[in-house]
Amino acid sequence: KAGVTQTPRYLIKTRGQQVTLSCSPISGHRSVSWYQQTPGQGLQFLFEYFSETQRNKGNFPGRFSGRQFSNSRSEMNVSTLELGDSALYLCASRSDRVPTGELFFGEGSRLTVL
Amino acid sequence: KNQVEQSPQSLIILEGKNCTLQCNYTVSPFSNLRWYKQDTGRGPVSLTIMTFSENTKSNGRYTATLDADTKQSSLHITASQLSDSASYICVVSAMNSGYALNFGKGTSLLVTP
Repeated sequence: KAGVTQTPRYLIKTRGQQVTLSCSPISGHRSVSWYQQTPGQGLQFLFEYFSETQRNKGNFPGRFSGRQFSNSRSEMNVSTLELGDSALYLCASRSDRVPTGELFFGEGSRLTVL
Repeated sequence: KNQVEQSPQSLIILEGKNCTLQCNYTVSPFSNLRWYKQDTGRGPVSLTIMTFSENTKSNGRYTATLDADTKQSSLHITASQLSDSASYICVVSAMNSGYALNFGKGTSLLVTP
């Protein structure tokens, strides 16, 4: 069973640009959530999607957005990049049959904003 | 406000020694608590889950405990190995708010030879 796949693994952008990150969940998982991880701040919840609908949202500005497709694949977009957006962005999927089920994380997309 | 506090923030121990990581939470109503291990540059991986009725659960050299009354959990690592060097994250799930997850900031463990 393939794990959670995130692309790209590494990317470098400049301030003001936008970026789109992709996440393919484990087959059969309809819940996909996104997290920002920076040194000292731990994992910060961005949003969760379930069956193409945003189910929960964290406390991030509107520059951060996401969507989920009918095949459960998800994308997140960050517009007008700022230096502080440099971080590891992690995607996780979990089985919706167990709401409190284990999160399965991808390897992450490391974004550097110059 | 639901919060999860982990201590210590970082820890350095010698290979072969034991250590204990702490997680205190104010999440209510409590659903479950998971410990995740995150190796550098990798995504976190679940080590163990604790539900309300469980006090102790082991996964190899990792033993998690839960005191639901005091809202505290610990992760004990026995006979540490170099591969235990990682960040350990405590995640507590609330029974409401769509089972929202509350994350601790993690404890960074370094095991030295």
